[in-house]
Amino acid sequence: DVKVTQSSRYLVKRTGEKVFLECVQDMDHENMFWYRQDPGLGLRLIYFSYDVKMKEKGDIPEGYSVSREKKERFSLILESASTNQTSMYLCATTTGAGDQPQHFGDGTRLSIL
Amino acid sequence: KQEVTQIPAALSVPEGENLVLNCSFTDSAIYNLQWFRQDPGKGLTSLLLIQSSQREQTSGRLNASLDKSSGRSTLYIAASQPGDSATYLCAVPTSYNTDKLIFGTGTRLQVFP
Repeated sequence: DVKVTQSSRYLVKRTGEKVFLECVQDMDHENMFWYRQDPGLGLRLIYFSYDVKMKEKGDIPEGYSVSREKKERFSLILESASTNQTSMYLCATTTGAGDQPQHFGDGTRLSIL
Repeated sequence: KQEVTQIPAALSVPEGENLVLNCSFTDSAIYNLQWFRQDPGKGLTSLLLIQSSQREQTSGRLNASLDKSSGRSTLYIAASQPGDSATYLCAVPTSYNTDKLIFGTGTRLQVFP
């Protein structure tokens, strides 16, 4: 089974802090994704990576950056956290073959005070 | 731009009923459609992936159908159980030949004993 591990289930930070969310997968998948999920808005793609050091903006990249230095790890960075970034953050991976499902981590519920 | 709609938004049924959840998408040029389950406060779990060349997929008590020409998919749950209570989401690729997904906002299902 694919295992996608997000470093924290719950996180509380203050406005203006730099926040790192980590995601690690154990299946050598090419593609990794970061989403945020908000009531009434559903899941929205923040960033997508299709290879080491390769990234692509999703629908809502403003205020975020990402890092993928190793294939198994994809980090989401909030450069200067704001209260409107309080949300559930979900990491997902897939093989890149186009015929396999996305596998999700358990999510990080982030609160910015 | 692709849009995904799920109806109903919420459903409450007694145990044992057979259910149909609906998913509609505006652009029929998709190469797969995925159904996911999400338990409260958790990540998404892949249930079924239907390729564009297929009309349906089955897994246990779940059956998903796909009608590309009408832009619709249905998830059929047979003999529902309280353990089926969760939110069910469908997703399609944002464009052809990409792993980036666009999600519906989900159907929240409650099955009571």
